[in-house]
Amino acid sequence: SQQGEEDPQALSIQEGENATMNCSYKTSINNLQWYRQNSGRGLVHLILIRSNEREKHSGRLRVTLDTSKKSSSLLITASRAADTASYFCATVYYGNKLVFGAGTILRVKS
Amino acid sequence: DTAVSQTPKYLVTQMGNDKSIKCEQNLGHDTMYWYKQDSKKFLKIMFSYNNKELIINETVPNRFSPKSPDKAHLNLHINSLELGDSAVYFCASSQDSSGSAYEQYFGPGTRLTVT
Repeated sequence: SQQGEEDPQALSIQEGENATMNCSYKTSINNLQWYRQNSGRGLVHLILIRSNEREKHSGRLRVTLDTSKKSSSLLITASRAADTASYFCATVYYGNKLVFGAGTILRVKS
Repeated sequence: DTAVSQTPKYLVTQMGNDKSIKCEQNLGHDTMYWYKQDSKKFLKIMFSYNNKELIINETVPNRFSPKSPDKAHLNLHINSLELGDSAVYFCASSQDSSGSAYEQYFGPGTRLTVT
């Protein structure tokens, strides 16, 4: 079954606002990754957070990981229309297999 | 330069046919993958090869057969295509398969439509 589940399924915000997406998983993980997928395109890796890390930043992205709650969040600050995409969390819990969640569709209105 | 490329981008075919999708990566990575993304955007791994050796083989019908002629290429052959095979197939690669921290690089996808 799916390892990660994103929440919300869809999010619509105005340009300049912050967007927060959450991911929950079921078993212990090695690391958790976030990917972006623009419509009709392949996935692009955004950020990787290890199980012993609690927070990571990359530009306007901030990822947190709470292993006690088996959850992670992705925050995009000062969103832009170009951030419109689907965002997926993926967990590595067995060898090198990435298990993806169902994704959050983010729409940023200009 | 394209890091992970797939051909064709679109594939429309009839039930019962056999088709292949090709994938190439120029990143020098050791590990390559095939994923299937269904109409609900759910992405699931199908196969993984490390240095031409199969290391992940998920519960996939044996009509699907991956082939890796060298570590830069991983092709996917599908026999006796069925309607349920319609999906977007993504190839990906990563630096190693050690299970430690790594990221995957995805190709642009091949949209397969079976009629």
